Amino acid sequence: DAMVIQNPRYQVTQFGKPVTLSCSQTLNHNVMYWYQQKSSQAPKLLFHYYDKDFNNEADTPDNFQSRRPNTSFCFLDIRSPGLGDAAMYLCATSRGVYSNQPQHFGDGTRLSIL
Amino acid sequence: AQTVTQSQPEMSVQEAETVTLSCTYDTSESDYYLFWYKQPPSRQMILVIRQEAYKQQNATENRFSVNFQKAAKSFSLKISDSQLGDAAMYFCAYSTGNQFYFGTGTSLTVIP
Repeated sequence: DAMVIQNPRYQVTQFGKPVTLSCSQTLNHNVMYWYQQKSSQAPKLLFHYYDKDFNNEADTPDNFQSRRPNTSFCFLDIRSPGLGDAAMYLCATSRGVYSNQPQHFGDGTRLSIL
Repeated sequence: AQTVTQSQPEMSVQEAETVTLSCTYDTSESDYYLFWYKQPPSRQMILVIRQEAYKQQNATENRFSVNFQKAAKSFSLKISDSQLGDAAMYFCAYSTGNQFYFGTGTSLTVIP
């Protein structure tokens, strides 16, 4: 089945130690999104790629970076994780950006900071 | 600024009964899209139903239907014949040409 896959499901890192979360998709969608979701809160959009074009949300900290080497894969890099970065990180894809096309979500990666 | 408000942080419904989750939004756009997403505990978020603002007819997907009131900027979700599997966090979402917003969510409990 076509899907959005996030690895790993759970990630533990140390305060200040860089960490990378990965997302892959078999839907061949041209848009990939990264969201941060803290407990009992709505997902917060960090950035998205439309094909190779990177679009950063205005309030996304510089500590968060992303790479999309090809259509199928997208990575979230947190350069120096702080305790406040502990959250669920959701990857999503869609055929068009900000359109009537629904977003398809992965299972998420839960990030813990020691 | 566009915002999406879900005024009910928590709701409960008896199994087989009907429940309505409310959502209001603020926008100056005339063309936009509205969605309801469901996020079960520890499971992925999935689309429940969507509505194009230019369509007057309310969207329906099996037991799920919406009451879209464009003038009032209201977009409620009705779940009929509630099932235990409907227990989840429900997010209302708004999308336009260059923005996408989730509401704060409503946690739905289904009582057997």
